[in-house]
Parts: sequence; structure tokens; C-alpha cells
Amino acid sequence: QKEVEQNSGPLSVPEGAIASLNCTYSDRGSQSFFWYRQYSGKSPELIMSIYSNGDKEDGRFTAQLNKASQYVSLLIRDSQPSDSATYLCAVRGSGATNKLIFGTGTLLAVQP
Amino acid sequence: DAGITQSPRHKVTETGTPVTLRCHQTENHRYMYWYRQDPGHGLRLIHYSYGVKDTDKGEVSDGYSVSRSKTEDFLLTLESATSSQTSVYFCAISESKQGLPYGYTFGSGTRLTVV
Repeated sequence: QKEVEQNSGPLSVPEGAIASLNCTYSDRGSQSFFWYRQYSGKSPELIMSIYSNGDKEDGRFTAQLNKASQYVSLLIRDSQPSDSATYLCAVRGSGATNKLIFGTGTLLAVQP
Repeated sequence: DAGITQSPRHKVTETGTPVTLRCHQTENHRYMYWYRQDPGHGLRLIHYSYGVKDTDKGEVSDGYSVSRSKTEDFLLTLESATSSQTSVYFCAISESKQGLPYGYTFGSGTRLTVV
């Protein structure tokens, strides 16, 4: 079992719809969770962080965390073609260092 | 935004040659990381550093070494490049905000081709 799992996609949604991206993790002691967006040929860019159970909203983005189910999700409301990218889920493990474990990413395609 | 630069941006090298990639930061962050990114594998940690001269191995460290003689510089060396090391290499730095570990900031990446 991979430590951080994501569906590779592609996830195709029409413009204006809600895109829902999901991630599961195996280390029950994980405390910090992050979503990165990566455009083709570019470096990953941090868009959301979440540390406690529940929802966290920032503009059109909402991160959701359920530690009991070891599940993290990212919702993108009013999806735009410019949101088309690969979205990486990252989890900080329970160890002493600040290492992040990344999923392989979900490719999102927003259709105009 | 944190200042982090990688050099070179692109490199083609021959099998068996040593290669050094450089990561430079201007933010005085303690933690620095080297990842490689390959299709189907995502980002995999090669080595990381938690201070000057303090480094440790990641999950794919074979064939790589690192050095950190100054806070701002973290060097990745491929001791004898192989075709399997053709990849995109990312350096990252991390910081804490309000006592919580924050996510990474990535450099622009180095695309390395070993022929």
C-alpha cells in the first residue's frame, strides 16, 4: 500500500462545476496535510494546508480532512480552464523531521 | 515568497560522468530537500538536510550524495550518472508558521538527461 494515494485521473469537469479531488494516507499519526497545484513543466505550488479535522476554505478552494478515515479532499468551486493542472496531495508524517510524502497526483481538466 | 533558485535548469550529460546540481536559498530556512519527479512515481525524496553539515537519506538515495556547507546552499551530486537518473529534480525548502510546519516551497527544477 502506498503511503499517500490519489486517483491519477484525468478528472474532467465542465467550466463552472465543482471539482472534487481525493487523497488517502496510511500513517495514522500524520498531522499536517497539503495540496499543491502543478502546471505542466512547472514546479509544484502550495495552494492549501490543513491541520485539523473539518473544512478549511480559501477563495474557491476548500480542503477537507477526516483523520478517522485517513482522508483528505480538495474541492474547487466554479472551476475555470486555468485550474487545469495536476494536483498533488502531501502528508507530513509522524516523525521528527518535516518530510512530506507526496501522492502521484490527479490530473484535472476543466472543459470550456 | 521564499527565494530559492536551482542551477542549471537543463543539463545533458553522458553515462558515467559525475553531475552536481545546486540549490540556493535566501531565506535562511533550516530544512532543505532534493526530490526527483518521474511519470507514474510522483515526487520521491532523495536526500534532505536539517542544518549545515546535517543530512540524511530519503527513499531513493542510491547513486546520489549531498553536501550542505552553508545554510543557503544544498548540493546534489550524481556520482556516476546512469540513464535511470534521467529525471526532473526539484529542490525544496520548508518553514514554520505560527509554530506549525508549513508546506514546502519548490525551486523551478532541473531537467537532467543522461545519454
